[in-house]
Amino acid sequence: AQSVTQLDSHVSVSEGTPVLLRCNYSSSYSPSLFWYVQHPNKGLQLLLKYTSAATLVKGINGFEAEFKKSETSFHLTKPSAHMSDAAEYFCVVSAVTSGTYKYIFGTGTRLKVLA
Amino acid sequence: NAGVTQTPKFRVLKTGQSMTLLCAQDMNHEYMYWYRQDPGMGLRLIHYSVGEGTTAKGEVPDGYNVSRLKKQNFLLGLESAAPSQTSVYFCASSPQETQYFGPGTRLLVL
Repeated sequence: AQSVTQLDSHVSVSEGTPVLLRCNYSSSYSPSLFWYVQHPNKGLQLLLKYTSAATLVKGINGFEAEFKKSETSFHLTKPSAHMSDAAEYFCVVSAVTSGTYKYIFGTGTRLKVLA
Repeated sequence: NAGVTQTPKFRVLKTGQSMTLLCAQDMNHEYMYWYRQDPGMGLRLIHYSVGEGTTAKGEVPDGYNVSRLKKQNFLLGLESAAPSQTSVYFCASSPQETQYFGPGTRLLVL
């Protein structure tokens, strides 16, 4: 069965410093993995996705994530945090059941950016 | 191209009342999904549809019903609302694997 664990429920960084949001997954086959961002009182916006092509995936707004099969990880990074990055971030693994793709969500990491 | 839209944005219900949430997408996607989001729990799948006229249960279907009479619309119904259904509801659609989300409906059941 597929599952995903976000290792930190809250992360605080200073503006201009690097961001690291950690995600580990469990999958019985080569997974598709996603990161979504949710700004306050908004819907979920796709940041990036990994679908078995390049292991380093670049997304929007300067974010990127690296798929590491040996570590079963898909951590999200950004070199320099901006105030507008303050939001909740969800790591998602896609699973196929009964011929249908379904998402399994992590519990989310709330990113706080300090001025 | 509006993407995925949800109606209403916010609603307050009394226990026992009924209501319908509407999700509409203009991307001609086959798959549509309803989720609920509760603090500290991520999003949980309520019901989904793999095409017009089809629906299936997700992880937390109890107390909800759905219909997909038209490809572009996916309705979520609460027949008799309970305080435990206070949540934020998100709809999503997808052509295959990647899902695109609506802005959400905030529901408060008193």
